[in-house]
Amino acid sequence: GQNIDQPTEMTATEGAIVQINCTYQTSGFNGLFWYQQHAGEAPTFLSYNVLDGLEEKGRFSSFLSRSKGYSYLLLKELQMKDSASYLCAAPREETGANNLFFGTGTRLTVIP
Amino acid sequence: DVKVTQSSRYLVKRTGEKVFLECVQDMDHENMFWYRQDPGLGLRLIYFSYDVKMKEKGDIPEGYSVSREKKERFSLILESASTNQTSMYLCASSSGQLSEAFFGQGTRLTVV
Repeated sequence: GQNIDQPTEMTATEGAIVQINCTYQTSGFNGLFWYQQHAGEAPTFLSYNVLDGLEEKGRFSSFLSRSKGYSYLLLKELQMKDSASYLCAAPREETGANNLFFGTGTRLTVIP
Repeated sequence: DVKVTQSSRYLVKRTGEKVFLECVQDMDHENMFWYRQDPGLGLRLIYFSYDVKMKEKGDIPEGYSVSREKKERFSLILESASTNQTSMYLCASSSGQLSEAFFGQGTRLTVV
């Protein structure tokens, strides 16, 4: 079956760097998504990786290793507004690539 | 600015009531989804639709039904609300395959 694991909670200091890990098990790989969700708000898209390696978008980068079934989201120069949940998601095996299976999310708290 | 709009932000209903949650998107997306989000359980898929008049069950369809009479509108129906359906409900839409999903702001439903 399909499974996504990520840590439940993390805390980091303003200005620091934090890495949020995600491991996944899926029979057919179609890429990995990261979403950000502030408390009480809708998730918003951060990144999509389908090839191995690191993709950078400003302060946020996402890494993928298909052979290891592993991804991480790297947040640099942390700001208080980065306090949010970060959701790792993969296209569902049984219903096709239009449809995402989400991990339970990592709640990141940034402290001064 | 692209938008997914859910009809209510907060809703309180009584046990046994029939509840309608409406979702409208203005992006001409084929795919629409209903999720519920509960602490520690993440986003769980209730129903989805890839086309008008089409619907498919997700992971937790029991106690719910959906309607998609027009491309832009996807309605979630709780046939007879129960307290265990108290949750945050999120609607999302996407276009084609492996594309990012856009989420509505969510409806926090409380069943008393």
